[in-house]
Amino acid sequence: AQSVTQLDSHVSVSEGTPVLLRCNYSSSYSPSLFWYVQHPNKGLQLLLKYTSAATLVKGINGFEAEFKKSETSFHLTKPSAHMSDAAEYFCVVSDPYSGGYQKVTFGTGTKLQVIP
Amino acid sequence: SQTIHQWPATLVQPVGSPLSLECTVEGTSNPNLYWYRQAAGRGLQLLFYSVGIGQISSEVPQNLSASRPQDRQFILSSKKLLLSDSGFYLCAWSVLGGYEQFFGPGTRLTVL
Repeated sequence: AQSVTQLDSHVSVSEGTPVLLRCNYSSSYSPSLFWYVQHPNKGLQLLLKYTSAATLVKGINGFEAEFKKSETSFHLTKPSAHMSDAAEYFCVVSDPYSGGYQKVTFGTGTKLQVIP
Repeated sequence: SQTIHQWPATLVQPVGSPLSLECTVEGTSNPNLYWYRQAAGRGLQLLFYSVGIGQISSEVPQNLSASRPQDRQFILSSKKLLLSDSGFYLCAWSVLGGYEQFFGPGTRLTVL
């Protein structure tokens, strides 16, 4: 069985300071991992994905994440927060493709607040 | 390019009334389709998924149902809404065998 834990439900940073959103996963297989962002009352947008290639993954809007198998972590970072980064972020783990259905498990989300 | 549409965007319904939410995908064929619900302060819960026309799998037993009458159309329904059905409903698609899902804009449902 797979699971994902987002260690912080809320994170608050000042504009221009680094962002760190933490995610730990559990999977019986070599997982695919994703980060999605959701602005209020909007759908989810894919930020970045890890699918067993490079362990450091770069995404949109300056975000990146590093896959660390030994720590079962996939933390999301950004060097400098912007006001527009204020949103909710979801870490997602996916089992390998099986029977035509991609089973994914979402974390409970981390709300990022950016203070001017 | 592929796009995914959901309607309505918002909906307010009384308890016991029926429900029909629609999702359509453009620009792709034979997608996997998914319905999720996001309740206030909670993560996403997968409700249904479909790998083809008429093929629906339910992840959580409840008073909701789903149908896929056409390749790129996915409908979420209920005969009688409950208060607990309130939430934000998201439709998503993925390519067959693909790793990532693409989400629609969502429908905010309030049951009073």
